[in-house]
Amino acid sequence: EVQLLESGGGLVQPGGSLRLSCAAAGFTFSSYSMTWVRQAPGKGLEWVSAISDNGGNTPYADSVKGRFAISRDNSKNTLFLQMNSLRAEDTAVYYCARCSVTCSKGGVDYWGQGTLVTVSS
Amino acid sequence: DIQMTQSPSSLSASVGDRVTITCRASQDIRNDLGWYQQKPGKAPKRLIYGASSLQSGVPSRLSGSGSGTEFTLTISSLQPEDFATYYCLQHNTYPFTFGPGTKVDI
Repeated sequence: EVQLLESGGGLVQPGGSLRLSCAAAGFTFSSYSMTWVRQAPGKGLEWVSAISDNGGNTPYADSVKGRFAISRDNSKNTLFLQMNSLRAEDTAVYYCARCSVTCSKGGVDYWGQGTLVTVSS
Repeated sequence: DIQMTQSPSSLSASVGDRVTITCRASQDIRNDLGWYQQKPGKAPKRLIYGASSLQSGVPSRLSGSGSGTEFTLTISSLQPEDFATYYCLQHNTYPFTFGPGTKVDI
């Protein structure tokens, strides 16, 4: 069974930083591309970033480019999202999700339960 | 960026009704589209991949169709557990984009 467990969310001041983690289990993590998707309170889904199986390809949404960095540690089956220069509009539930092998070819199949990030003074 | 639109934005229906949701892409995305169901406080769940393939474990009353720029999700006979919000996602071109969602309620 595919399991994705996010952690690291919380309250942070504008301009601050936060690092999210996603622990994966139940599949061969190093063989799959992964992605982050967020959802602001009461709003729709917004794709944030993705990373290929070996970490060599890391596209970003324009809204986070230059501020967020996605990475992965295949030896620890863990996905990360480093978020810097946080803004109020980054407040959202952040979901870690697995792609069907590659994101472009297969889309997004399994999702974690999400972690809430609140940016406020 | 590819823009995704959905219609309707919301609909009211009854158990047993046939429901159709439409998703349109601003350019050709072949069949690189998935449909997701989300219930309040829960993570999205994929229902359809490749525009028309049913995800394992999803009931056969759900179906997807379309290719290119126009896609539909159909629920042939709405059940109580189908009341939720539905999103489409294009994964043809980065940045990936979701439709704005369709809320299905009573």
